[in-house]
Amino acid sequence: SAVISQKPSRDICQRGTSLTIQCQVDSQVTMMFWYRQQPGQSLTLIATANQGSEATYESGFVIDKFPISRPNLTFSTLTVSNMSPEDSSIYLCSVVLRTSGTNTGELFFGEGSRLTVL
Amino acid sequence: QQQVKQSPQSLIVQKGGISIINCAYENTAFDYFPWYQQFPGKGPALLIAIRPDVSEKKEGRFTISFNKSAKQFSLHIMDSQPGDSATYFCAASIRGGSYIPTFGRGTSLIVHP
Repeated sequence: SAVISQKPSRDICQRGTSLTIQCQVDSQVTMMFWYRQQPGQSLTLIATANQGSEATYESGFVIDKFPISRPNLTFSTLTVSNMSPEDSSIYLCSVVLRTSGTNTGELFFGEGSRLTVL
Repeated sequence: QQQVKQSPQSLIVQKGGISIINCAYENTAFDYFPWYQQFPGKGPALLIAIRPDVSEKKEGRFTISFNKSAKQFSLHIMDSQPGDSATYFCAASIRGGSYIPTFGRGTSLIVHP
């Protein structure tokens, strides 16, 4: 299994500011993802965090709004830029675990970062 | 276009009853079907998963039934307990690809004592 630590666990931010969320995994993983979960809603993939290169964004999400870094196999950050109340959501880091060179297919999630924008 | 349709959106069951959540998919390339359980304030966690070469998988009180021809799969929770109260997400992915799953909309399950 994988243990994923996310910081901050929650924050209240002012409109127009930016917040960076950190994700630390206790083992090397092949793939890291960032999801958004709005209250009572499903999980929406924002992007795949690629080690050492630009993240791969899903339709509707852009790098200027959600810049992502992944400097190594165990760490990634997601920044929510120029926030508005519509960005109030839970942001989740997730990983696919590598086992003996193959992917297990199981997604592990962090506990999420609950963001409220006023 | 939603590729994995999940129902019902919410479910209320009495303790000891059977909870049933259904999902249907469209993409026949999907070959891995996990269910995730999410408690309030926590991230989702894998509960049970099935591959299309079997029609049923059971782990304790949780069973996945899979119907490949109908492109449907369901989660059955036997002897439902108040501790099972959570949101359940079905998902589907392609193992030979990126493993990025397509999630259903989720089902909020409440089990009354």
